[in-house]
Amino acid sequence: GQNIDQPTEMTATEGAIVQINCTYQTSGFNGLFWYQQHAGEAPTFLSYNVLDGLEEKGRFSSFLSRSKGYSYLLLKELQMKDSASYLCAVRDYLGSGAGSYQLTFGKGTKLSVIP
Amino acid sequence: NAGVTQTPKFQVLKTGQSMTLQCAQDMNHEYMSWYRQDPGMGLRLIHYSVGAGITDQGEVPNGYNVSRSTTEDFPLRLLSAAPSQTSVYFCASSYDRQETQYFGPGTRLLVL
Repeated sequence: GQNIDQPTEMTATEGAIVQINCTYQTSGFNGLFWYQQHAGEAPTFLSYNVLDGLEEKGRFSSFLSRSKGYSYLLLKELQMKDSASYLCAVRDYLGSGAGSYQLTFGKGTKLSVIP
Repeated sequence: NAGVTQTPKFQVLKTGQSMTLQCAQDMNHEYMSWYRQDPGMGLRLIHYSVGAGITDQGEVPNGYNVSRSTTEDFPLRLLSAAPSQTSVYFCASSYDRQETQYFGPGTRLLVL
């Protein structure tokens, strides 16, 4: 099984930088995803990390430390449209067979961007 | 490409009624899955399929059935709806289980 922990809510100011942390415990780590979900909408893919280090995509960056079971999503130059929930999801490798990978989602962090 | 489509968008059921939530994708993805999302619970996997004719249970399968007769379609059946099944249901697909998943717009279900 997995245990994924991320803060429930965060608030940040427009134009600022915010870091959303995710910690996890897993036995067969095979990648970590970040998804963005606006209220009433479907999750959309933001980033993927499988090796240690920082992945940068425009205003968004994601960091992974496999030894610490830790990831963060960094959002720069915050905009009002960044107000959304951010979901951390960890993929486990369970072994050979058709169902060999399992993706488990954290409960999400609701980010509110204020003027 | 339409991506992942789901119907209906909204549904109200009475306890004991049955219904099928439809999911289709036109990306030729092998892997498809159904999640439910409840406040404070995150996304939880109900059932998944790694290809036509192959399905398996996820974390919360009780009360739901699935089938995968074609690559494109992956319907979710509620056999006898219960108020505990009130939720938002998302279908997702990916090229295979290792790839990024693409989500449909969701079905909001209320069981009275």
